Amino acid sequence: NAGVTQTPKFQVLKTGQSMTLQCAQDMNHEYMSWYRQDPGMGLRLIHYSVGAGITDQGEVPNGYNVSRSTTEDFPLRLLSAAPSQTSVYFCASSSGDRYTEAFFGQGTRLTVV
Amino acid sequence: GQQVMQIPQYQHVQEGEDFTTYCNSSTTLSNIQWYKQRPGGHPVFLIQLVKSGEVKKQKRLTFQFGEAKKNSSLHITATQTTDVGTYVCAWGTYKYIFGTGTRLKVLA
Repeated sequence: NAGVTQTPKFQVLKTGQSMTLQCAQDMNHEYMSWYRQDPGMGLRLIHYSVGAGITDQGEVPNGYNVSRSTTEDFPLRLLSAAPSQTSVYFCASSSGDRYTEAFFGQGTRLTVV
Repeated sequence: GQQVMQIPQYQHVQEGEDFTTYCNSSTTLSNIQWYKQRPGGHPVFLIQLVKSGEVKKQKRLTFQFGEAKKNSSLHITATQTTDVGTYVCAWGTYKYIFGTGTRLKVLA
């Protein structure tokens, strides 16, 4: 069972380029979210979704776009990459049952030069 | 927004020594979760505490939730090299707030 699958694992972008980080889960989870992890700052929520067609902003949404057309997929788009977006990105999903845990993808290490 | 502070940020211990990390909130939490992240890996769920004063054990790991539900701790007895990683607390149901984590290094 795959769980949460993120692609790519590594990416180098030039400033101003755009790209999409892919996230897919096969657990039929309603809730999906994107976090970025920077040294000394822990995981910070970028965007989240409580179901297909419903998304909302987290703590650090600027420069990122999301959509949720299916239950399985939750891509994260960088519109115009900036060096400040160099980070490790994690996608997570959860079932939505009360007090359920988050399942994380393997992460995408993004460097913007 | 609500923040969860975690201390210490780093901890180096000799193999066999004990280790404790603390998670503190200024407001009452509905629940507290603990995750472990190995170097280069992704967070993996360890346990969840919901009740005031709750204590749970997993082999050498002991988790506590404070009486006021504003703090929590993770204690590892007799650390092993396999315990290396970052231990992170979190709270929430589907939108999680994570602590900054404690990075544990175990010296053999």
